[in-house]
Parts: sequence; C-alpha cells; structure tokens
Amino acid sequence: RKEVEQDPGPFNVPEGATVAFNCTYSNSASQSFFWYRQDCRKEPKLLMSVYSSGNEDGRFTAQLNRASQYISLLIRDSKLSDSATYLCVVNPWGDYKLSFGAGTTVTVRA
Amino acid sequence: EADIYQTPRYLVIGTGKKITLECSQTMGHDKMYWYQQDPGMELHLIHYSYGVNSTEKGDLSSESTVSRIRTEHFPLTLESARPSHTSQYLCASSASGNTIYFGEGSWLTVV
Repeated sequence: RKEVEQDPGPFNVPEGATVAFNCTYSNSASQSFFWYRQDCRKEPKLLMSVYSSGNEDGRFTAQLNRASQYISLLIRDSKLSDSATYLCVVNPWGDYKLSFGAGTTVTVRA
Repeated sequence: EADIYQTPRYLVIGTGKKITLECSQTMGHDKMYWYQQDPGMELHLIHYSYGVNSTEKGDLSSESTVSRIRTEHFPLTLESARPSHTSQYLCASSASGNTIYFGEGSWLTVV
C-alpha cells in the first residue's frame, strides 16, 4: 500500500465552481502535511501547509482529519488559472523524507 | 521565491556519455533531495542527503550517484547515460520545518 494516495481525477469544473478532493495517508504518526501545486512541465510549488485546526488561504481551504487519516483541499470560485495538478505531501516520520502523492489533476473550463 | 538552482535546464546527450546535473541552494538547508519525474507521472525520490557527507538512496532505484561535500551543493552524476535515463530531474531542499523547495528541474534527453 502506498503511504499517500490521491484520486488522480481529472476533475473538470466550470469557472466559479467549487471543487474538493482528498488525500489519504497510511502512517498514523505523520506530523506534517502540505498541498503543493504543479503546473505542466514545471516544478512543484508550495500551495499551503495543513494545520490540525484547518486553515484557509483566500479561496483555498485545507482540512486535516487525523481519525480517518486524510487531508482535503477545497477550492472555491475556481479560476482558469487554478488548472494544475495538486500534490499531497506527508511527513511520515517527523524529521524524515517526505512522501508525495501521485497528484490530483484539476481542469477549470471557461 | 526559493533560492535553489539547477543547471543545465535542458540537456541532449549521446548514449554512453558521462553527465553531471548541478544543484545549489543558498538557503542553508541541511536536507537535499533528487527526484525523477516523467511527464504526467508522479515524483520518485532517487537520492537524499541530511547534511555534508551524508547521502542515501531513495525509493526508486537509480544508476546515478550523488555527493554532498558542501551544504549548498548536491550534484547528481550518471557515469554512462542511456536512453532509459531520459526524464526530468528535480532537485529540492528543506530545513527542519519540512517545507520542501524545488529547483526548476533539469530535462535530460539521451539519444
């Protein structure tokens, strides 16, 4: 079983729609969680960290559910520029190498 | 913006040639990583380092080697390039807070 699993999508949504997707992780001792964004043929870039109480950054909301071992990302009022692959990143052992999900592809259409 | 740099950005080279992909970061990060990613596919960790003189192999077996003689520098070497090595190679670094920063990547094509 992979340490981090994501629904690959693609999620095809119209502009202005809300889209949400999850990422599950296998190690209950995981301590740090992140969402990264990767555009086609570009490097991944940090979108936001995920805190235990949940956090929001503009139109983006991240949640952590430790009991069920998943994190989520919700994008409100989708823009064309939100089209990208969103990578879930988990630190499974504390100060150790990170585990990346395979990514969820979101396509926002006009 | 992250201060992590990779050269060359694009390289086309013949089979059997030795290549070195350079990676440097100016953030003073102890941890550095090399990932391999084919277009549209997931990232695979091939090497990582926790500090000077520390290197470990990642989850994906790779014929490449790395060295970490200085904190800021983490080059990757292929002694004899083959077409199967054609891919994008992404260097990254992180500090104790675990946010990882990526370079822009090196696109390698072996013909």
